[in-house]
Amino acid sequence: DSGVTQTPKHLITATGQRVTLRCSPRSGDLSVYWYQQSLDQGLQFLIHYYNGEERAKGNILERFSAQQFPDLHSELNLSSLELGDSALYFCASSPILAGVGEQYFGPGTRLTVT
Amino acid sequence: GESVGLHLPTLSVQEGDNSIINCAYSNSASDYFIWYKQESGKGPQFIIDIRSNMDKRQGQRVTVLLNKTVKHLSLQIAATQPGDSAVYFCAEIRSGGGGNKLTFGTGTQLKVEL
Repeated sequence: DSGVTQTPKHLITATGQRVTLRCSPRSGDLSVYWYQQSLDQGLQFLIHYYNGEERAKGNILERFSAQQFPDLHSELNLSSLELGDSALYFCASSPILAGVGEQYFGPGTRLTVT
Repeated sequence: GESVGLHLPTLSVQEGDNSIINCAYSNSASDYFIWYKQESGKGPQFIIDIRSNMDKRQGQRVTVLLNKTVKHLSLQIAATQPGDSAVYFCAEIRSGGGGNKLTFGTGTQLKVEL
C-alpha cells in the first residue's frame, strides 16, 4: 500500500458526460501528479501540482482540468468525454518539489466511456 | 480506425540471472531519470532515480547507468527473481518553472522463467 488513495476505482459513463476523479496523497506530500495510461498511448503525464498551485502541464487536453485543495487532495475533472478517454488514471504524490524523488502511485481509477 | 495496443518488447531471463533493460531518451536537457516497475493490475512503483550529472547509481539489487553521450539509460537487476516479472518503464524529467514534466518510455515486459 503506497498510502495514496484514489476514488472511484471504476467508473463507467457515456460519451459527452463529465466525471471527477479524486486523489488523496500520502500524509505530508505536497506534490501531486496525474497520469493517464491507455492501451494505445502508454503512460502519459498530465499535470503536476505543488501545495495547491499548478506547476507543470504535460499532454493534458483542454477538456480536462485539475486542482489541488488546501487539504492537499486533488481532483481531475474530465468533460465532454470521448471513447478515446477510456483509460486508467493514476495520481502519484511526492514529498519534494525540486527533482521528482520517490513518487508514490495510487491504485488508479479505471474509466470506461461507452 | 481501430486502436491497437502498444507492443511491448519482452525480455525473458532465467531466475537467478542478471537482467538488463534498456531505454533511449529524447531530450538532452532532461534533469532526472526514473525507473518504474508496474505489475499487472497495479500502479507503477518507483525503483530508482538518477540525476543527469551522474553516470551510475546503485540500489538494492538494481543499478541504473546513464550514458548522456548516446542518450541511453539502462536498468540492471541482479539475481532476477520471479517477483521481478513486470513491465518496466523509464521516465525522463525536465524541471522548470517550479514544476516537473515527465516523459515515459514505452516499457519493457520482463518475464522471469523458473
